[in-house]
Formats: sequence, structure tokens, C-alpha cells
Amino acid sequence: GENVEQHPSTLSVQEGDSAVIKCTYSDSASNYFPWYKQELGKRPQLIIDIRSNVGEKKDQRIAVTLNKTAKHFSLHITETQPEDSAVYFCAASFGIQFGNEKLTFGTGTRLTIIP
Amino acid sequence: EAGVTQFPSHSVIEKGQTVTLRCDPISGHDNLYWYRRVMGKEIKFLLHFVKESKQDESGMPNNRFLAERTGGTYSTLKVQPAELEDSGVYFCASSQGTSGGKNIQYFGAGTRLSVL
Repeated sequence: GENVEQHPSTLSVQEGDSAVIKCTYSDSASNYFPWYKQELGKRPQLIIDIRSNVGEKKDQRIAVTLNKTAKHFSLHITETQPEDSAVYFCAASFGIQFGNEKLTFGTGTRLTIIP
Repeated sequence: EAGVTQFPSHSVIEKGQTVTLRCDPISGHDNLYWYRRVMGKEIKFLLHFVKESKQDESGMPNNRFLAERTGGTYSTLKVQPAELEDSGVYFCASSQGTSGGKNIQYFGAGTRLSVL
């Protein structure tokens, strides 16, 4: 089955600096890669996602890049703000390709923004 | 629109007891998923309903876990009897289905289960 590894497990950055979280996946059949943000005591919320036919996607201060050959994808947050502090999860899915849409998650990254 | 709702938010039970978790998906979502996060590890898939049918239950750990979704609306996840290793946060997610090649799953806030 699919296996997703996520690094680092914790990350602290100064407010205004950039943060990068990296994930690798094992199954080349995976074709959908969402990122979820979970603030303390709240639900995981989708912040950005990318499909395997796209190499990069950006939404304001957040961007995701995908390297299918190397089977890794990364989350980039620029101009970090205190409200970016949360646990971030990457995930991979086969999408509709095999009728199996379950998400395989990484272990999460606790991001702390230092004011 | 109302999000995915889970009850209870926290449950503390003793080993050997039974606990039932409930999930109300977003109205109109045919897909319902259960996931679990144990001891700060990754969020792991348990099973997937399409309406009232189990599409994939490959992640269910053993036969002490029983999930139902009668009528294709809300779902329950029963653990009987509970063991210490069942402690964790149980998440429910729902989705409308695949659109544009992706299936966006919306998560509930989770039920934190503590088995003592």
C-alpha cells in the first residue's frame, strides 16, 4: 500500500520568514495530494491541494510543488504570520483511478511561528 | 453550510467497556470516511462508506470495531470491547464525490477516546 513520509516533525520560524514542509510517497499511482492544517482543538482543514498533472500550485502565501519522478511534494508558506502556527498534514490518494479515494497521511509537522 | 459533526468530542471509558462514536456528514455527501490518529502518529484510514454501503474497510483494525451507516446519512463506529490501544482521536470526513479528478474530504473535529 501507499506510504507517506513527512519532514520535519517540528518547525519553528521567525514571523515573516518562509516555512517549507516536505513529503515523499511510495506509490507512483497516487495522483492527488492535499495538505491539511489543524489548529489546536479544531478540525483538519484543507488549505491547498494538487493533482499529479500539475507541477506547482499557488494560493496567496501558500504554494505546493510536486515532483512525480522523485515522488515528493512540498508545502511552502511565505511571509509567515502567528496564525500559521498549527499542525500540517500532507496526504496522498489514488483519486478515482482505482475507485479508492482514501487518504494516506504523513505524520504531521508542528509549525510554530515566533513573533 | 454546516460542517461534519462528531459526537462526543471526548470519551473516557474503562478497558472492556463499549463506546459508540457518531458522525453526521455534510448534507448531501454520499461518501463518509473514518480515520484514527493514535499517539501523535499519522492519521490512518479505517473505512469508507458510499451511501449505506461499505466501499473499503481495509483499515479496520479487528472485529472489535463495527461501523454502520443505516439509511446513508449519519454513521456510527462502535468499539466493543475497548482495549488500551484503541485510545486516540477518531476523525470522520465526508465528501460529495469526485469532481475534476479530485475528491475533497471535509473533516470533523474528531472524538478523543481515552481507554483506561
